[in-house]
Amino acid sequence: KAGVTQTPRYLIKTRGQQVTLSCSPISGHRSVSWYQQTPGQGLQFLFEYFSETQRNKGNFPGRFSGRQFSNSRSEMNVSTLELGDSALYLCASSLGFHAGGSYNEQFFGPGTRLTVL
Amino acid sequence: AQKITQTQPGMFVQEKEAVTLDCTYDTSDQSYGLFWYKQPSSGEMIFLIYQGSYDEQNATEGRYSLNFQKARKSANLVISASQLGDSAMYFCAMREGFKEAAGNKLTFGGGTRVLVKP
Repeated sequence: KAGVTQTPRYLIKTRGQQVTLSCSPISGHRSVSWYQQTPGQGLQFLFEYFSETQRNKGNFPGRFSGRQFSNSRSEMNVSTLELGDSALYLCASSLGFHAGGSYNEQFFGPGTRLTVL
Repeated sequence: AQKITQTQPGMFVQEKEAVTLDCTYDTSDQSYGLFWYKQPSSGEMIFLIYQGSYDEQNATEGRYSLNFQKARKSANLVISASQLGDSAMYFCAMREGFKEAAGNKLTFGGGTRVLVKP
């Protein structure tokens, strides 16, 4: 079974631009969560999509948005990039529901490293 | 207040020895789950072990075991017989609530960097 894939793996943008990152979950998984990882703030939850609906949202400004398509693939968009948006963006996929007491393990992708100049 | 605290920013461990990574958490939920992830320099997060708040026994997965002390709100990871490939960042994380609406949000600690010496 193929793992979680994220594209692109590396990205360089300049301040003020916008960027779109993509995440393809494991086949059959309906939940995709996004996390931002920076040296200063650590790993922070951005949002989660389940069956094309945003189920949960972290404390990030409205410049950060996302969506999920009917095939469960998800994209996140950051508009008007700032230097502080430089980070590793990780997505995680899971079934999205607790099946028979399962803890609903999340599988992470390799991440997209975004550098804002 | 920090929900997940990992007090050890970095540790050295001798190959073949055991190492304990500390994690304390704060939650008012009765139902929650605790996770440990490994992050090598490549960046990908690798799931290691899970402990549910209602699990009576400590979780074990191969060389990984979780020392769960609910009253003290601690969930320390023990890695036995360390290997060179264990050198990585280790993160403790918590998911609060088991209701579907709670979703899959994980709150992470700051991490502990482990370096295994030959």
